[in-house]
Amino acid sequence: DAGITQSPRHKVTETGTPVTLRCHQTENHRYMYWYRQDPGHGLRLIHYSYGVKDTDKGEVSDGYSVSRSKTEDFLLTLESATSSQTSVYFCAISVKGPGSPLHFGNGTRLTVT
Amino acid sequence: RKEVEQDPGPFNVPEGATVAFNCTYSNSASQSFFWYRQDCRKEPKLLMSVYSSGNEDGRFTAQLNRASQYISLLIRDSKLSDSATYLCVVNRMDSSYKLIFGSGTRLLVRP
Repeated sequence: DAGITQSPRHKVTETGTPVTLRCHQTENHRYMYWYRQDPGHGLRLIHYSYGVKDTDKGEVSDGYSVSRSKTEDFLLTLESATSSQTSVYFCAISVKGPGSPLHFGNGTRLTVT
Repeated sequence: RKEVEQDPGPFNVPEGATVAFNCTYSNSASQSFFWYRQDCRKEPKLLMSVYSSGNEDGRFTAQLNRASQYISLLIRDSKLSDSATYLCVVNRMDSSYKLIFGSGTRLLVRP
């Protein structure tokens, strides 16, 4: 257990509303990631962080922002939710750094109506 | 072309069967390879890393073929509990060393 907690586990929201998902880790790992998983696409990287206030974009970052003000928390914000952002969102940490295996949280299932 | 490609399956096999999955990758410079397992509505979990010389973990054997740019996963003596989706993962050889996930191969083991 890598000590990763995602909240909320499930959320239904309306188009146009802002939404923030939280990822919390208990082991002070430097690298944290946000992925989304959709049928036929696999896991796609949204944003990642390599330290407090150090973040970078992944391959599907449009419409998302992130913040990392503390080592243990990595927040993902949907500025104005759209139906195309209905997905399962996973947070992950890298224990040994880039290129090493990731450990995932148990996911947030988001539905945008 | 996707960076990492897998046959989505499903592979439907009887208990006790041997089953193999392949995964192809496009970046010949990739250095890190992994297999993950994902149960329905759960998070992916690392099954095993894949080493150049091939490696085995109990009933599971992983192999890497750099010349043909694919990795494989062999499961012997399949159990009902092996039913899951198996994700192939390859690192992207740029400054970020980000991991790229395949869409997964679904395995169903029947009694």
